[in-house]
Amino acid sequence: AQTVTQSQPEMSVQEAETVTLSCTYDTSESDYYLFWYKQPPSRQMILVIRQEAYKQQNATENRFSVNFQKAAKSFSLKISDSQLGDAAMYFCAYRSKYGGSQGNLIFGKGTKLSVKP
Amino acid sequence: SQTIHQWPATLVQPVGSPLSLECTVEGTSNPNLYWYRQAAGRGLQLLFYSVGIGQISSEVPQNLSASRPQDRQFILSSKKLLLSDSGFYLCAWSVLGRQGGTEAFFGQGTRLTVV
Repeated sequence: AQTVTQSQPEMSVQEAETVTLSCTYDTSESDYYLFWYKQPPSRQMILVIRQEAYKQQNATENRFSVNFQKAAKSFSLKISDSQLGDAAMYFCAYRSKYGGSQGNLIFGKGTKLSVKP
Repeated sequence: SQTIHQWPATLVQPVGSPLSLECTVEGTSNPNLYWYRQAAGRGLQLLFYSVGIGQISSEVPQNLSASRPQDRQFILSSKKLLLSDSGFYLCAWSVLGRQGGTEAFFGQGTRLTVV
């Protein structure tokens, strides 16, 4: 079974600085998706970024980028120019490429990010 | 565009009372539907998923059940709530394309407190 591990329960960053959140996963599959979700105090789950395992190029979305190391099974999220609105819980998630039970998202336990003004 | 509606947003129920949480999706057909539970300060645990009408799979044994009476409607139920059923419940949907699964889109959640 696949597992997702986020080893940093809490992180803190100064406004305008850069922070990296770590995520590792375990799988025997070769093709899958990885995601970072943000959960602000409202608790709405918001997709931040998606990475497809067969793509070697790291995904980027504005100030958010990932460092995807497939061999190491590592998927870290870098937030540049941190803003107060980035403060939230961040969840790393894994999904098999195909449907049924293997299509479900498997989440890490999350990292709580605080942004200091 | 696709939207997902989940209600109620907040619910306080006594122990032993029934539960019904509803989730509907608009703008897509034959979605995969999911119910997740999030305990305070913890990650998301998958409770149920459905790949079609009347097709429900349970991931963990529990006091809850799910039903999918229509293509875009997913209901989470309990006949008698327990204190341990308290938590934040999230409904989500996704679709499978030619490229396989995509990301899941979440409702706004229901905060359930059993007293």
